[in-house]
Amino acid sequence: RKEVEQDPGPFNVPEGATVAFNCTYSNSASQSFFWYRQDCRKEPKLLMSVYSSGNEDGRFTAQLNRASQYISLLIRDSKLSDSATYLCARGGIAGGGNKLTFGTGTQLKVEL
Amino acid sequence: EPEVTQTPSHQVTQMGQEVILRCVPISNHLYFYWYRQILGQKVEFLVSFYNNEISEKSEIFDDQFSVERPDGSNFTLKIRSTKLEDSAMYFCASSSIGDSPLHFGNGTRLTVT
Repeated sequence: RKEVEQDPGPFNVPEGATVAFNCTYSNSASQSFFWYRQDCRKEPKLLMSVYSSGNEDGRFTAQLNRASQYISLLIRDSKLSDSATYLCARGGIAGGGNKLTFGTGTQLKVEL
Repeated sequence: EPEVTQTPSHQVTQMGQEVILRCVPISNHLYFYWYRQILGQKVEFLVSFYNNEISEKSEIFDDQFSVERPDGSNFTLKIRSTKLEDSAMYFCASSSIGDSPLHFGNGTRLTVT
């Protein structure tokens, strides 16, 4: 299994739709997980951290399932401005810095 | 909001030349990183740096690469003898402690001709 695996998409959805992305990871010792957003040829920008208890930020909800080793991102009421590539990242094991390993990203296109 | 800054935004160099990419991490951060992204591919880890030394590096980070934090604010990546395949976006990142997220700079696009 790849370290971090994502469906590359693209996911083409109409404005207002709900869309969900999954991401699987291989290292069960990983302590931290994140979703980043990347616009074309720009830097990854932190969207949200992912916790076992789940967390929500406005229209975005992230979940972590350690038993099945996947994380998810749900976007409700999608906007045109949500069009981007969404990168899943897993952090290192406890201690030291937090080297992130990224997936290839899932491309989202929100259309009128 | 504090941010990571990188210069230059675009660097064009000839094969075999040395390049230095510069970064100013967020001031109270302790961990520093370089990543690269070849066009159309994923963001790949190169190296992490803590307490004035390399803490981890990938297979990509061979003897042609080096990092330095010369003055307590700048963090640089040097490529000694560039190859065509070094053409990519290079992102610097920093983080505070433990399992905190990384904050990325806006990148340097390196083109090797």
